[in-house]
Amino acid sequence: GQNIDQPTEMTATEGAIVQINCTYQTSGFNGLFWYQQHAGEAPTFLSYNVLDGLEEKGRFSSFLSRSKGYSYLLLKELQMKDSASYLCAVRDSDYKLSFGAGTTVTVRA
Amino acid sequence: GAVVSQHPSWVICKSGTSVKIECRSLDFQATTMFWYRQFPKQSLMLMATSNEGSKATYEQGVEKDKFLINHASLTLSTLTVTSAHPEDSSFYICSARELRWDTGELFFGEGSRLTVL
Repeated sequence: GQNIDQPTEMTATEGAIVQINCTYQTSGFNGLFWYQQHAGEAPTFLSYNVLDGLEEKGRFSSFLSRSKGYSYLLLKELQMKDSASYLCAVRDSDYKLSFGAGTTVTVRA
Repeated sequence: GAVVSQHPSWVICKSGTSVKIECRSLDFQATTMFWYRQFPKQSLMLMATSNEGSKATYEQGVEKDKFLINHASLTLSTLTVTSAHPEDSSFYICSARELRWDTGELFFGEGSRLTVL
């Protein structure tokens, strides 16, 4: 099974940088995903890490350390539209995805 | 990215009735689809894995007789909530994996919000 932990809430100012940490314990690691979910909507894919290191994708970057069971999502140049829940998800060898509880990010002007 | 469509988006039903939710992969074939449930302010919980042409695999604690899953074709999976009760009110989301994408990321349907009165 999977045990995935991430902070419940974070607040930041428009234009700032936010780092959302995620730690996990898993049996059969096969990739870590970050999804964004606005209230009442389905999740949308942000990033994917399967090897150690940093993946950069525009204003969003994601880092993975498999030995530490640790990942973070970095949001740069925050915009008001970035206010959402960010879900850390771990995939196992059966391609099943288990989600963390999500981190609600509130961006203030 | 790949497109997954879910219908209906909203459904309100009386306690004791059954509700069917459809999940379609529009531009790819999905041998496997996943059904999730999300209660307010909680994360997505995997309910079952839907396999085309065979029985679904249910997660621990999910009643297979209550949540009937049928995956009759490579582009359609259905979830039927039988004899629904107010505690079944939730946001149900399906997803599918598009094998052409190297990441193997899941693409999600729009979700179906079920309210049982």
